[in-house]
Amino acid sequence: DVKVTQSSRYLVKRTGEKVFLECVQDMDHENMFWYRQDPGLGLRLIYFSYDVKMKEKGDIPEGYSVSREKKERFSLILESASTNQTSMYLCASSLGWQIVDNSPLHFGNGTRLTVT
Amino acid sequence: KQEVTQIPAALSVPEGENLVLNCSFTDSAIYNLQWFRQDPGKGLTSLLLIQSSQREQTSGRLNASLDKSSGRSTLYIAASQPGDSATYLCAGAYVGNTPLVFGKGTRLSVIA
Repeated sequence: DVKVTQSSRYLVKRTGEKVFLECVQDMDHENMFWYRQDPGLGLRLIYFSYDVKMKEKGDIPEGYSVSREKKERFSLILESASTNQTSMYLCASSLGWQIVDNSPLHFGNGTRLTVT
Repeated sequence: KQEVTQIPAALSVPEGENLVLNCSFTDSAIYNLQWFRQDPGKGLTSLLLIQSSQREQTSGRLNASLDKSSGRSTLYIAASQPGDSATYLCAGAYVGNTPLVFGKGTRLSVIA
């Protein structure tokens, strides 16, 4: 079974702090994604990566950056945390692009981040 | 812009009932559609993936269908149980190397 692991289930940070959210997958997947999920707004894509050192902006990249130095690891960085970044953050990975190989998307268990 | 819609946002049914969850999409160029389950405070678990060349996929008590011409997918749950209570999301994959387009989900409560 594919395993996508997010390093923290819960985080509490202060406004202005630099925050790192880590995600690791163990199945040699090409693509990795970061979403945030908020009540009433659904899942929103922040950034994604289709290869090591490659990144693409999603729908809401402002205030975030990402790093993918190794294939299995995709990090989300909040450069200066703000209260409006309080949210559930979900990492996901897939073997390839869904249209190429009908590859399902696999999610981690999420990180609940609170910025005070 | 491609959109995926799930109505209703919430649904409550008695245990044992067969039920259908709906997913509508705006672009018939959908390549495949995936159904997920999310338990409170957890990540999403993939349930079924239907390719555009298929009409149905089955896994246990779950059956998903895809009708590109009408822009609809349904998730049928047979003999519902309280353990089926969760939020169910659908997501469409479109031509081009782009991420999935997600619906906002239907929150299902199965009452014992």
